[in-house]
Amino acid sequence: EVQLVESGGGLVQPGGSLRLSCAASGFSIRSYWMSWVRQAPGKGLEWVANIKQDGSEKYYVDSVKGRFTISRDNAKNSLYLQMNSLRAEDTGVYYCVRSTFEMWGQGTMVTVSS
Amino acid sequence: EIVMTQSPATLSVSPGERATLSCRASQSVSSKLAWYQQKPGQPPRLLIYGASTRATGIPARFSGSGSGTEFTLTISSLQSEDFTVYHCQQYNNWPWTFGQGTKVEIK
Repeated sequence: EVQLVESGGGLVQPGGSLRLSCAASGFSIRSYWMSWVRQAPGKGLEWVANIKQDGSEKYYVDSVKGRFTISRDNAKNSLYLQMNSLRAEDTGVYYCVRSTFEMWGQGTMVTVSS
Repeated sequence: EIVMTQSPATLSVSPGERATLSCRASQSVSSKLAWYQQKPGQPPRLLIYGASTRATGIPARFSGSGSGTEFTLTISSLQSEDFTVYHCQQYNNWPWTFGQGTKVEIK
């Protein structure tokens, strides 16, 4: 089955860190740009970060620059998001997305709270 | 950053009627515009990309139009499963940005 499955979310205190993972199956991510998109509870969508097929280009929304790092391991068919210095406003569901936009994971919930 | 503005915030329509949703960009995004449908507890589902191209498996009652700064999603005859939230998104300039969403509710 062709799918993306996120993991690694949870409850973390402000200032803490989390590493999200996204495992792809049924296709090879090495052919695609990959992305992370988040959605705060009851709010709209925000495109967080993009990474090129070989990892040579990365783009971040301003609100996470310097705190989040997107990476990938094409051999493991996986995408990652290292999140440091987490803030309350980072709370939300984080989705892994294939660059053609038609494939999204089910999301993993991140809650930043003391 | 390009700001995407969707209108109306809520659209009340009767089943079987036509729904017209608007999305405006603060500057030109050419045709790099996508529409998504999102149901509660689910990820967004791609409906339209390139402003007017239906994604795979999307029913023909969904159509998109526009270019530059003005875009429209039309649902020609609303079915029960269509009453939910719709998002537009530009991917012409980084950071890619979404509108705030339009909720289509039963009148």
